[in-house]
Amino acid sequence: EAQVTQNPRYLITVTGKKLTVTCSQNMNHEYMSWYRQDPGLGLRQIYYSMNVEVTDKGDVPEGYKVSRKEKRNFPLILESPSPNQTSLYFCASKGTGSRETQYFGPGTRLLVL
Amino acid sequence: AQTVTQSQPEMSVQEAETVTLSCTYDTSESNYYLFWYKQPPSRQMILVIRQEAYKQQNATENRFSVNFQKAAKSFSLKISDSQLGDTAMYFCAFMKQEWSGAGSYQLTFGKGTKLSVIP
Repeated sequence: EAQVTQNPRYLITVTGKKLTVTCSQNMNHEYMSWYRQDPGLGLRQIYYSMNVEVTDKGDVPEGYKVSRKEKRNFPLILESPSPNQTSLYFCASKGTGSRETQYFGPGTRLLVL
Repeated sequence: AQTVTQSQPEMSVQEAETVTLSCTYDTSESNYYLFWYKQPPSRQMILVIRQEAYKQQNATENRFSVNFQKAAKSFSLKISDSQLGDTAMYFCAFMKQEWSGAGSYQLTFGKGTKLSVIP
């Protein structure tokens, strides 16, 4: 089954404690990205990756890091989380080409105290 | 930069009735895609329907159809024969068409419309 998986699904942490949210896809997609969803704001792109070792900033990259060492994985790293990073996070992937469908993971709900 | 506006934060519809969700967008691009995503209480993002801007024909998927007005930059979603399972948040989204394969494929989302289907 084609899917994007994220772990963990729920996370409560404290300010300043580094954390990583993993994302993995089994569709051999080149393109992967991270979005955050906040009430009243819709979804906003954090970072994206066009392929292994190729990443770039989206609209709201501050406070986040990413890496793409393998094609299937695209972890999101919060080096020093702050309460304003409390949000619902989605990973997405798609094949190359605008006509390819973008697949979303199930989401990770993060609470930073 | 693109913007997507959904002017109806909340809507409700009786089961089996028809409802239309509004979406307008602003862009200087000529080639792009428009989407409607459904987000049920499970929070999963589910693609409902997609429209390619170069196509004049409105997209349809079973009970879901769109009214795409390119000149007016309007992209509304019509849900016919509403069902209880249609209760969800609906997001309109825009994506610029990338020709070189080097673009961001970024989806620009509206703020969403919360739809409730009433039995």
